[in-house]
This record gives sequence, C-alpha cells and structure tokens, in this order.
Amino acid sequence: NAGVTQTPKFRILKIGQSMTLQCAQDMNHNYMYWYRQDPGMGLKLIYYSVGAGITDKGEVPNGYNVSRSTTEDFPLRLELAAPSQTSVYFCASSSSGLAKNIQYFGAGTRLSVL
Amino acid sequence: AQSVTQPDIHITVSEGASLELRCNYSYGATPYLFWYVQSPGQGLQLLLKYFSGDTLVQGIKGFEAEFKRSQSSFNLRKPSVHWSDAAEYFCAVDTGNQFYFGTGTSLTVIP
Repeated sequence: NAGVTQTPKFRILKIGQSMTLQCAQDMNHNYMYWYRQDPGMGLKLIYYSVGAGITDKGEVPNGYNVSRSTTEDFPLRLELAAPSQTSVYFCASSSSGLAKNIQYFGAGTRLSVL
Repeated sequence: AQSVTQPDIHITVSEGASLELRCNYSYGATPYLFWYVQSPGQGLQLLLKYFSGDTLVQGIKGFEAEFKRSQSSFNLRKPSVHWSDAAEYFCAVDTGNQFYFGTGTSLTVIP
C-alpha cells in the first residue's frame, strides 16, 4: 500500500524560482493537507482541501498556492521562492473532515531556498 | 486562541526506564487529542488518539496517554522505553476546524 506519496524528497531552489511539490494518495480520502515543519516550531497548516475542486487556507498560506483537480492529487505551488520558505513540507490525507479524522502523512519534501 | 504546548523540548532516558511526555492544550471545549511519532527523515505516524469515553487510551508500540480535563493535559507514557523509541513526538489537537500541533519533544534513549 503506497498511502501518501510525496515527490521530490529533496530540492534546492534559487530565490525567485518556482516549483510544484507533488502529493498523491491512493486511499480515496476526501481530505488532504499541506503542512510545513520548521525546527522547533512544530507543524503549521498551509492549505487544505475537503474534496476535488475545493481548497481553503490554513495558518500560513502566504507565498503558496494549491489546486485539487482530482481526489488523488493535491500539488503545492511556490511561485516566487524565498529563503523563508526553506522548510520540510508534509502532505497528509484523511477520510473525513469531522473531528474523528485520522491523518496519514507522507515522508516529506525537504526544500532549501538559497 | 487554540494552542498546544509541549514544555519539554528534549528528554533523555535510559533504555528500560519509564517515560512521560507532557502535553497541555488551550481550547474552550474538549478537543480531539492525538500523539504522533516522527522518526528521522520520516513522516508522522499516529500513536494514539482520544475522542471521548475512557480517559486512558492505549496506542501502538506500548504507549498510552491519559486525558485530564481539569489540567487540560494529555500526557504520553510508556512503562519501559526501548532504543527504537528514540524519535520526535508531537501532541496535536483537532478542534473540528483545524489541527494544531505542539512544537515536539525529542526523545533520546541511552543504553
């Protein structure tokens, strides 16, 4: 079982470059999430989606965009990379948006912006 | 504002010793509570969860946690730590709208 798959695992960007972090899940989950994890800061929610075609902002959405054209995929777009976006990014999915959901996480993408 | 506090940034225990990781939350009602573990270079894995009912919940890998409403706490415990338990541990709350994670506690296990 693949679960939640994130690509790439590592990436180095120059300031001002753009890139897309890919996330795919094969569990037919409706809900998907993007988090960033900074040292000593825990995880912060960037964006989330409750289903195909529906996305919403989390705590720290500035500088990012998302789309959800299919149930399986939830890419995260950085348009103009900045050093402040150096972080580890985690994608997660869950079967329900109710409080009883349990999130399943990908292995993460480590991004450095230089 | 909702928040999750893990007061211990780093804990070191000897293998075989007992473990308790602290978690306090700030929320108007009783949230849903979780503990996740993250091994180096890996994503987060759910250890256990509390939704309602019995305030002592059992999880995987021999972990348990106790919800104490009066203290707004959800501390994680294990009676005998194994070297493979060395990892980062995150407490999280789900308010029904969003997940909030604590800043994590790094566990080192010494032989």
